Amino acid sequence: KNEVEQSPQNLTAQEGEFITINCSYSVGISALHWLQQHPGGGIVSLFMLSSGKKKHGRLIATINIQEKHSSLHITASHPRDSAVYICAVRLIGNKLVFGAGTILRVKS
Amino acid sequence: DAGITQSPRHKVTETGTPVTLRCHQTENHRYMYWYRQDPGHGLRLIHYSYGVKDTDKGEVSDGYSVSRSKTEDFLLTLESATSSQTSVYFCAISEWSGGQPQHFGDGTRLSIL
Repeated sequence: KNEVEQSPQNLTAQEGEFITINCSYSVGISALHWLQQHPGGGIVSLFMLSSGKKKHGRLIATINIQEKHSSLHITASHPRDSAVYICAVRLIGNKLVFGAGTILRVKS
Repeated sequence: DAGITQSPRHKVTETGTPVTLRCHQTENHRYMYWYRQDPGHGLRLIHYSYGVKDTDKGEVSDGYSVSRSKTEDFLLTLESATSSQTSVYFCAISEWSGGQPQHFGDGTRLSIL
């Protein structure tokens, strides 16, 4: 079993919809990262969380340490949000473990 | 954007040939990483470096070697490429080892026939 599980694996949405991507992990962590990978391949860091909630534009990331769960929300989704969204957790010993990613397609 | 350049961006080669991928950074970051990305798997760490001439193995290091003779360059070598090493390879950098995001290169798509 992977230490990091993301759901759903694939998600198709209509433009304007509210989107939620989930990440669950099974070990103790010091931080959780959300990353975005565009079709061209480049990977960029969106958020780093150790507690609570962070917001950047239309993106919101939350984490519940007790439940070992994080969510990434996209409000008013747009076709340019189409990408792979990757959750990664930093373990207590500093090792970074990545989820397999959620493929998001937003249709206009 | 962090200054990270991977070369080549694409390569096709044959089983048994040596292959070297290069990662070059202009950020003067201490830590550099090589990952591979395969369908159905998250990014997996191959090797990392915590300074010039200081490297260590990641979780999937078999069949790979690395070298870092300068702060700015981190080389990944497949001594004798196998078809199982067909993958997309990403380099990443960070100033410190923990508590902060890593910055990624654009990836190298390697096909071994």
